[in-house]
Amino acid sequence: TQLLEQSPQFLSIQEGENLTVYCNSSSVFSSLQWYRQEPGEGPVLLVTVVTGGEVKKLKRLTFQFGDARKDSSLHITAAQPGDTGLYLCGVRAYSGAGSYQLTFGKGTKLSVIP
Amino acid sequence: NAGVTQTPKFQVLKTGQSMTLQCAQDMNHNSMYWYRQDPGMGLRLIYYSASEGTTDKGEVPNGYNVSRLNKREFSLRLESAAPSQTSVYFCASSEAHGTAFLGYTFGSGTRLTVV
Repeated sequence: TQLLEQSPQFLSIQEGENLTVYCNSSSVFSSLQWYRQEPGEGPVLLVTVVTGGEVKKLKRLTFQFGDARKDSSLHITAAQPGDTGLYLCGVRAYSGAGSYQLTFGKGTKLSVIP
Repeated sequence: NAGVTQTPKFQVLKTGQSMTLQCAQDMNHNSMYWYRQDPGMGLRLIYYSASEGTTDKGEVPNGYNVSRLNKREFSLRLESAAPSQTSVYFCASSEAHGTAFLGYTFGSGTRLTVV
């Protein structure tokens, strides 16, 4: 069973449209992170959400952490071709000796067509 | 620029050959990780090192070994490559300060094909 379920798996939209992608789980988390991975590159951290109900904005990207801290959403306003990429959510687990591991969802692959 | 450097970027191996993937970070992070990324499977943790001198297995460690050479470097070794190890491999590092987890910094990956 996947710890984090991301939906949709694939999304293809026209430039200028709005979109929302989701990251869901049955578990409660102390924090959740969103990463974006461009083709041929490693994932890059976008944001960390910590408090239930928290909303963070990063230019045209809006991130929300669910009230129960089990789920999160990413909303993009007026998508641009530069938003194309794989969007991953990740949650951390303490693995001892001061180390944390991140477990990731399978991601949403977004294509923004000019 | 500060970050995580992986070498090589591309590699083709024949079944049974061995190789070592190199990773180095210059951010003075304590923890380092190796993940593999496969279509439909997402990122899966192979091994990690919480600090210099320690290593532990992750979700998919079979067929791999690691060495934390010093605080900066964490290598991944395939002793006898198999086609099932064809994948993109990512190294990452992180630091945690108390309850503030600052996230991972990833390298740009090594694309490995085993034929």
